[in-house]
Amino acid sequence: QLQLQESGPGLVKPSETLSLTCTVSGASIPSRTHYWGWIRQPPGKGLEWLGSVYHSGSPFHSPSLKSRVTMSVDMSKNQFSLRLRSVTAADTAVYYCARHHNSGSFFDYWGQGTLVTVSS
Amino acid sequence: QSVLTQPPSVSAAPGQKVTISCSGSSSNIGINYVSWYQQLPGTAPKLLIYDNNERPSGIPDRFSDSKSGTSATLDITGLQTGDEAIYYCGTWDSSLSAVVFGGGTKLTVL
Repeated sequence: QLQLQESGPGLVKPSETLSLTCTVSGASIPSRTHYWGWIRQPPGKGLEWLGSVYHSGSPFHSPSLKSRVTMSVDMSKNQFSLRLRSVTAADTAVYYCARHHNSGSFFDYWGQGTLVTVSS
Repeated sequence: QSVLTQPPSVSAAPGQKVTISCSGSSSNIGINYVSWYQQLPGTAPKLLIYDNNERPSGIPDRFSDSKSGTSATLDITGLQTGDEAIYYCGTWDSSLSAVVFGGGTKLTVL
């Protein structure tokens, strides 16, 4: 059974960098049919896709966040990561990692999510 | 402002049928598959429908979708109290080169 688990600090100061890691178990990250993605959800609001990354490390990002987002893959640990620079209070959200099926662009497995609060 | 437009809320009685709409454009729903997600309170979204009415294992056939032009619809029949959740549609937008979601529809089973 495929499982994803987010980890990282729950509190980040404004202007600093948010860093999260997603550990995948039950499947290997290298896959020709899947990317690995990040989606966030501000409190009480809807879903926002941040970006996805292929096992080779090739990422594609939301245009609205492209300049602040970095994504990477560590195949030795079966993990992928998100870095979001220069955060503000507007980046406060539950961050989910998910498996992104590349043919229909849907997310079939999700992590439980981790709340990241941006505050001084 | 979401790229895909959903009604904020819908409601229906147990056993009845409810329809949730998702309106987009020629660059997203018009040319790409739509997926639907169910988010129960305090939990992560769960994939319900993908790729033209395909359901993951374990999703009952009470859930189905259809598409016409630049709009998609999720139908839920035989409503149960456990179906109370927020439902999101999603797809790829070929102009934005981005995955886009609707704003979500809260389903209340009266």
